[in-house]
Amino acid sequence: AQSVTQLDSQVPVFEEAPVELRCNYSSSVSVYLFWYVQYPNQGLQLLLKYLSGSTLVKGINGFEAEFNKSQTSFHLRKPSVHISDTAEYFCAVRSLSARQLTFGSGTQLTVLP
Amino acid sequence: NAGVTQTPKFQVLKTGQSMTLQCAQDMNHEYMSWYRQDPGMGLRLIHYSVGAGITDQGEVPNGYNVSRSTTEDFPLRLLSAAPSQTSVYFCASRPEWGSANNEQFFGPGTRLTVL
Repeated sequence: AQSVTQLDSQVPVFEEAPVELRCNYSSSVSVYLFWYVQYPNQGLQLLLKYLSGSTLVKGINGFEAEFNKSQTSFHLRKPSVHISDTAEYFCAVRSLSARQLTFGSGTQLTVLP
Repeated sequence: NAGVTQTPKFQVLKTGQSMTLQCAQDMNHEYMSWYRQDPGMGLRLIHYSVGAGITDQGEVPNGYNVSRSTTEDFPLRLLSAAPSQTSVYFCASRPEWGSANNEQFFGPGTRLTVL
């Protein structure tokens, strides 16, 4: 079975400050990992994904994430956030043997002026 | 391409009523799925399909039916709505499920309220 834990349900941060959104996963086999962003009243949009290769993955809007197999983590980072980054962020995992994505409970990022 | 489309955007039902949430994609994706989103619980998989004529249950299938008669369409049916089904529903699709290119595309969602 696969599962995802997002450790923080809410993360407030001031504009231009760095941010890290934490994600840990559980799976007995190799995995694909994803971060999705959901802006208010919209659907989910893919931010970035890790399939294989380099453990540092760069995504859209200046976000990046690092896959750490030993710690089973896939934390999302941005060095300087903007007001427009205010949204809910979901981490998701899919093991190579599974058909479906499993999502974490989400982290609400609020960027304060 | 329109991507993944969902109708309606909003719906209010009374307990016991039935309705169908529509989902369509124009990307020729084999895999389609339905999720519900509830506060603090992320997205939970209701049903999914790996191709026309093939459907299977996800994590929370009770109270919902699906069918897949064409590659493009994947409707979700509530036969007798209950207040516990108040939620935001998302349809998603992606290319063949066994492929490494497994970005999943989401529709804009349907907000359902059951009174």
